[in-house]
Amino acid sequence: DAMVIQNPRYQVTQFGKPVTLSCSQTLNHNVMYWYQQKSSQAPKLLFHYYDKDFNNEADTPDNFQSRRPNTSFCFLDIRSPGLGDAAMYLCATSRVSGQGADTQYFGPGTRLTVL
Amino acid sequence: KQEVTQIPAALSVPEGENLVLNCSFTDSAIYNLQWFRQDPGKGLTSLLLIQSSQREQTSGRLNASLDKSSGRSTLYIAASQPGDSATYLCAVPPPGGYNKLIFGAGTRLAVHP
Repeated sequence: DAMVIQNPRYQVTQFGKPVTLSCSQTLNHNVMYWYQQKSSQAPKLLFHYYDKDFNNEADTPDNFQSRRPNTSFCFLDIRSPGLGDAAMYLCATSRVSGQGADTQYFGPGTRLTVL
Repeated sequence: KQEVTQIPAALSVPEGENLVLNCSFTDSAIYNLQWFRQDPGKGLTSLLLIQSSQREQTSGRLNASLDKSSGRSTLYIAASQPGDSATYLCAVPPPGGYNKLIFGAGTRLAVHP
């Protein structure tokens, strides 16, 4: 029944060691989002894919990249994690058309720890 | 630039109380407004979506209202229960857009028996 799946749920990495977070969906939604959420803060949008079109937020660091090989999967790559990148990373999906957008469906998140 | 503010940041109430959570946004040219719930260490769950043409939406004990002209929305929770304890976030799209959301920092609610 899971609709948006994130793996792993918990990820521990070392300072500077690249890490990849995974998101998959069974909803066949055309838009996928990656958010970063730090403790007691609002989720912050990093980027989103509208179909195959990649949309980067202006203030997203270059250290963060993403891939969407097909409709179902989306990956978040952190090239050189710093201590400040420790956070919860949330993946979400939505169906968007020229008439508007439905609500966003979120995965359970991946908690990233940087040692 | 759209900014979303939620007041109060935290709220602790006894079971059974009726609650009002507030959300304000700086630019009224929004396509819709959404309320989400987040349990500790979990993802977000959509509660209510109000289109810009609507004034309110209801789901069970939850009622959300929208006043675009004043840049405000309220989430009303009737007869609160301990299971309602969570963080409640509101979110709006950026002005003129609808394919992404800008979130408030949320109201952390604790309902004690």
